[in-house]
Amino acid sequence: DTAVSQTPKYLVTQMGNDKSIKCEQNLGHDTMYWYKQDSKKFLKIMFSYNNKELIINETVPNRFSPKSPDKAHLNLHINSLELGDSAVYFCASSRGQGGNTEAFFGQGTRLTVV
Amino acid sequence: AQSVTQLDSHVSVSEGTPVLLRCNYSSSYSPSLFWYVQHPNKGLQLLLKYTSAATLVKGINGFEAEFKKSETSFHLTKPSAHMSDAAEYFCVVTPSYGGATNKLIFGTGTLLAVQP
Repeated sequence: DTAVSQTPKYLVTQMGNDKSIKCEQNLGHDTMYWYKQDSKKFLKIMFSYNNKELIINETVPNRFSPKSPDKAHLNLHINSLELGDSAVYFCASSRGQGGNTEAFFGQGTRLTVV
Repeated sequence: AQSVTQLDSHVSVSEGTPVLLRCNYSSSYSPSLFWYVQHPNKGLQLLLKYTSAATLVKGINGFEAEFKKSETSFHLTKPSAHMSDAAEYFCVVTPSYGGATNKLIFGTGTLLAVQP
């Protein structure tokens, strides 16, 4: 069973479109995250949710809107896609939000905006 | 503020020789430190973590790391490299004080190549 699963794995779309990436975890964790990995492999946190509440928003453009319908899901919706949004987006989850808890990552969604 | 510096962007070793991937950290608080590995086109997998217990941490696949507060380092080592170790390795820091938000701060990564 996949612990943290993201769909789709690959997403190619045109500039200006709106797209969503879905994430689900079956680990019973209460904290979920979105990370962005750029073309140079640099990873940076975008959002963090704890028990469906937003706790981290790292100055991400308003075009990015996370939604957490329940503790097991954290979806990412992106409006008006731009070329610079091309990246690999990773969903992750952890038990609690303490700094010493490890995060479990999904396989990533490679978004290509053309 | 927390940060990590991975001193080498690329490391190349021969199969069967030791691996050393270097990481220095900066943290205002007692940190938690992690090493994650990313194989090509795969997600991130935790190799090992340090959370203020033993300073020598053993992880999966024969990797270990030693937390050295005096040197602010958390270098990753393995006695004998295997071809399957070829991947990108990330050193990660996060504050570990109570109530801290689990915001992982990633290093820029070290690409490990293993030559036959």
